Amino acid sequence: GAVVSQHPSRVICKSGTSVKIECRSLDFQATTMFWYRQFPKQSLMLMATSNEGSKATYEQGVEKDKFLINHASLTLSTLTVTSAHPEDSSFYICSASGTSGVRTDTQYFGPGTRLTVL
Amino acid sequence: DQQVKQNSPSLSVQEGRISILNCDYTNSMFDYFLWYKKYPAEGPTFLISISSIKDKNEDGRFTVFLNKSAKHLSLHIVPSQPGDSAVYFCAASGSDGSRLTFGEGTQLTVNP
Repeated sequence: GAVVSQHPSRVICKSGTSVKIECRSLDFQATTMFWYRQFPKQSLMLMATSNEGSKATYEQGVEKDKFLINHASLTLSTLTVTSAHPEDSSFYICSASGTSGVRTDTQYFGPGTRLTVL
Repeated sequence: DQQVKQNSPSLSVQEGRISILNCDYTNSMFDYFLWYKKYPAEGPTFLISISSIKDKNEDGRFTVFLNKSAKHLSLHIVPSQPGDSAVYFCAASGSDGSRLTFGEGTQLTVNP
């Protein structure tokens, strides 16, 4: 149980285009979803936290107009990188936490999405 | 400001021996700590956790020790197996239990 999927797993796009990444909780209701970014050999950096039906809370230094987050249902959150540039190339990972049927003291992570902006 | 630090980027251990991964934190408001294991191109998977009211938690081959006064925790894996080779992240959260702060990770290699 507690499976989180991400799609796509890998995406290559041209500079200036927008990319949407989906995060789904497959077998539990995710009351809260988190988006992280990881650079090579570095820690996972939290970008934003979103609760279903609410606006996302962004961490300091993360541009909310550039990284659009939508958490429209209890099983789906999307991250859209708008007008992507090469410096946005990174590994993006989502996680989800729930209150029923899963441990409530941890987050369950998706497999990540490797974004490469040319 | 790195509030959770894993000072060893890598660790190499012989199969069957003990692996000890260390983690230090600076924020005294942290009261819940977790260890995650991560394989390349995959998301982290939860391994074991410990609350600040405890100093030890054991689950099979994995034991986490917490020294609150030193703001230090460690993960012991014994006996180590080649399949344990992965990056291990420690993470910490406050009383709300939601926002996790991660360390940089330690690459563990268990040699057959």
